[in-house]
Amino acid sequence: QSALTQPPSASGSPGQSVTISCTGTSSDVGGYNYVSWYQQHPGKAPKLMIYEVIKRPSGVPDRFSGSKSGNTASLTVSGLQAEDEADYYCSSYAGSYNLVFGGGTKLTVL
Amino acid sequence: QVQLQESGPGLVKPSETLSLTCTVSGGSVSDSSHYWSWIRQPPGKGLEWIGFIYSSGSTNYNPSLKSRVTISVDTSKNQFSLKVRSVTAADTAVYYCARVVRAAGDYWGQGTLVTVSS
Repeated sequence: QSALTQPPSASGSPGQSVTISCTGTSSDVGGYNYVSWYQQHPGKAPKLMIYEVIKRPSGVPDRFSGSKSGNTASLTVSGLQAEDEADYYCSSYAGSYNLVFGGGTKLTVL
Repeated sequence: QVQLQESGPGLVKPSETLSLTCTVSGGSVSDSSHYWSWIRQPPGKGLEWIGFIYSSGSTNYNPSLKSRVTISVDTSKNQFSLKVRSVTAADTAVYYCARVVRAAGDYWGQGTLVTVSS
């Protein structure tokens, strides 16, 4: 299984919206509604932000939203805030009880 | 509140076996609703899924690591463990344990850095 493809970087100004893509195949992202997104600040463990493509865990601001079209999933952060600056990783179920992660995207708040 | 804590040696010699344990509190590794997973992150790089274990003891591993990895569970201690055999410098990473439900890691340990060096 190959890693999911994410852009290495993304940026936006405070208050703007930014979208991060996560491209896989029909064997992972396109085949299952089990895409998750994680936020990771430097030196910290990843934090679950989105699961099952569009669902937010309790406590995650509704500024974070997920979507999927075909083999590409997306994370949108609206109303960017300074604390949103972090690395973001997508993951997907890949069948046969396998998981695959994306390479990560560094989000910079300008 | 579920908490996970990794423990084990921070330095392992090349060709030896890396062994880590994850202790779970506030939840049970016997809970049939969840899987328990190991994930690693080489310094400055992305996340890599290592494998799962279910409360029954059934496992599944990343195909790229399958030949060198074993995950086991000790329900009496509420722990699960990771062994990686024949390590090289490429196995140097922060190792995380996590609880997984519906393919999402909802609780993670803080991570532990394991360095492979002589």
